[in-house]
Amino acid sequence: DTEVTQTPKHLVMGMTNKKSLKCEQHMGHRAMYWYKQKAKKPPELMFVYSYEKLSINESVPSRFSPECPNSSLLNLHLHALQPEDSALYLCASSQPGDRGGGELFFGEGSRLTVL
Amino acid sequence: QQPVQSPQAVILREGEDAVINCSSSKALYSVHWYRQKHGEAPVFLMILLKGGEQKGHDKISASFNEKKQQSSLYLTASQLSYSGTYFCGTERLRALRTGGGADGLTFGKGTHLIIQP
Repeated sequence: DTEVTQTPKHLVMGMTNKKSLKCEQHMGHRAMYWYKQKAKKPPELMFVYSYEKLSINESVPSRFSPECPNSSLLNLHLHALQPEDSALYLCASSQPGDRGGGELFFGEGSRLTVL
Repeated sequence: QQPVQSPQAVILREGEDAVINCSSSKALYSVHWYRQKHGEAPVFLMILLKGGEQKGHDKISASFNEKKQQSSLYLTASQLSYSGTYFCGTERLRALRTGGGADGLTFGKGTHLIIQP
């Protein structure tokens, strides 16, 4: 199984809503990532979990809250978002090696629209 | 710091060759190359780990000049299926990281490749 599964595929929410994006992988990878991608832009790193610990937070606003319940699951909790947060949210996983993070396997993404 | 990719866009006829470049001002451990088609997730093409290393995958190959912190992706005899946006992603040297494990990739702005029949 070489898939990273993200749910939901599409999400529309109001600025006062609380929602969550979910990501799951069964490749035994020990690093998981959240990236944000706007149209015609590159993926932008948000969070990195290495061995279930948050290792990178790229100055992301607190209205985004990541959670890694176990090595296979990664959540992104959303609260009080702004319309400019509308984007494709990509989850990825990799197996860190001796000196590097390894090849990224991306999920298909969750397309978020904030009204 | 974001790597610099060039060119921004390329239009080719099927069968022609293309080169996409990626450079960084920071010392790198690795350079990754990904292709993303419209409405799809990025797909891994290859990773280059050592200075001067070259890797190949069918008619797509790449090189990494560690001294210059530059990588190039070579697409030969391009096929229609090569169309998409190509991103390089860079990973800093471990010695410069604040911790172990993975730091994630910083992607360049992308090169939009169009292959025409």
